[in-house]
Amino acid sequence: QVQLKESGPGLVQPSQTLSLTCTVAGFSLTSYNVHWVRQPPGKGLEWMGVIWNTGGTRYNSALKSRLSISKDTSKSQVFLKMNSLQTEDTATYYCAREHYDGTYYSYYFDYWGQGVMVTVSS
Amino acid sequence: DVQMTQSPSNLAASPGESVSINCKASKSISKYLAWYQQKPGKANKLLIYSGSTLQSGTPSRFSGSGSGTDFTLTIRNLEPEDFGLYYCQQHNEYPWTFGGGTKLELK
Repeated sequence: QVQLKESGPGLVQPSQTLSLTCTVAGFSLTSYNVHWVRQPPGKGLEWMGVIWNTGGTRYNSALKSRLSISKDTSKSQVFLKMNSLQTEDTATYYCAREHYDGTYYSYYFDYWGQGVMVTVSS
Repeated sequence: DVQMTQSPSNLAASPGESVSINCKASKSISKYLAWYQQKPGKANKLLIYSGSTLQSGTPSRFSGSGSGTDFTLTIRNLEPEDFGLYYCQQHNEYPWTFGGGTKLELK
């Protein structure tokens, strides 16, 4: 069945780079787009960026200068890298699959990972 | 960016009651609104997309309505498993944005 699972360090020091992996199962990254969404503690959800099935990317302009998303299709993994982390980047980070009906992509998320909590602190 | 405003932020209800959660967009998003349920330790669950279309597996007690800028999620005959956080998301234009959330609590 469809699964997404985020992994990465729970603690990152300020000014350092965050590296997260989203390992997927039950679908192919050559057909589906995968997004990253984050949620600071007690706050709402923020869309971060997407890697298209084609390998192209699009980022939230607020994060664009610091964010990079890539993938290894053969390993069914999507990667997030964000540099210059600050305390306000403390959040739960989710990867999510964009719905695709075989013809159209729909920009909403039909499957999510459970998220990985990342704390930025020295 | 399209700003999404959810109301209320908190809602208390009892099993068997009906509740409504509102989501307002800062500009027209046509029908392109999704609703998600969030519960601790579980993956976020897509409930409704395109304003009113139930995702496969969503119970029929959930319904969505609205278009343009104003949308509503209604849950009839609340079940114990319905308590949690609810978020709306516009899927009309980049960047995709979410409402601030509504916490549905047991009264």
